[in-house]
Amino acid sequence: GESVGLHLPTLSVQEGDNSIINCAYSNSASDYFIWYKQESGKGPQFIIDIRSNMDKRQGQRVTVLLNKTVKHLSLQIAATQPGDSAVYFCAELNISNFGNEKLTFGTGTRLTIIP
Amino acid sequence: ETGVTQTPRHLVMGMTNKKSLKCEQHLGHNAMYWYKQSAKKPLELMFVYNFKEQTENNSVPSRFSPECPNSSHLFLHLHTLQPEDSALYLCASSQSHRVIDTQYFGPGTRLTVL
Repeated sequence: GESVGLHLPTLSVQEGDNSIINCAYSNSASDYFIWYKQESGKGPQFIIDIRSNMDKRQGQRVTVLLNKTVKHLSLQIAATQPGDSAVYFCAELNISNFGNEKLTFGTGTRLTIIP
Repeated sequence: ETGVTQTPRHLVMGMTNKKSLKCEQHLGHNAMYWYKQSAKKPLELMFVYNFKEQTENNSVPSRFSPECPNSSHLFLHLHTLQPEDSALYLCASSQSHRVIDTQYFGPGTRLTVL
């Protein structure tokens, strides 16, 4: 079946250190993945995406890695800042029963940056 | 900060009440979405509208009734809800209903059903 899961529900990182958030997916046919960030009291915010024809994509202080062999996705945040404290979700592209594209989300990892 | 607004931000209702959630997007998008976010569960897609037409209903109970009068506004009408319907209801919009078009989320309505 289709499922997107996260290895760890919580992660604490010292300010200035790098953090890695992991995500496993089960739909080997999925060819598009997104990471979202959700701060307290706010809706999810797009961070970065990656297509299955890529292994790595970099943004500003963030890098997403895709390992299709083991169906694993990770989000690396460099030089973490207090504003990085949030819940991070991965999501993958699936096809709904109506034949439409839809996102399947993971449960999320809560990242806490320790000052 | 966000081009998607939702009202009210918090709502407490009894199981016999009727209430409505409102979403408005100021981004000129053509697709709008309702999601349900429960504690410790993944974000669940409920409905999708594209150019005011419903294109997705993710097996949502009929006690949730969406309405999309135009591409900028989306409502979720609630009636005879159950306590397990308590959750954060998020609205989102995107340029089209293709997944590659980034979805922009509102802050959500925190719903409590007593």
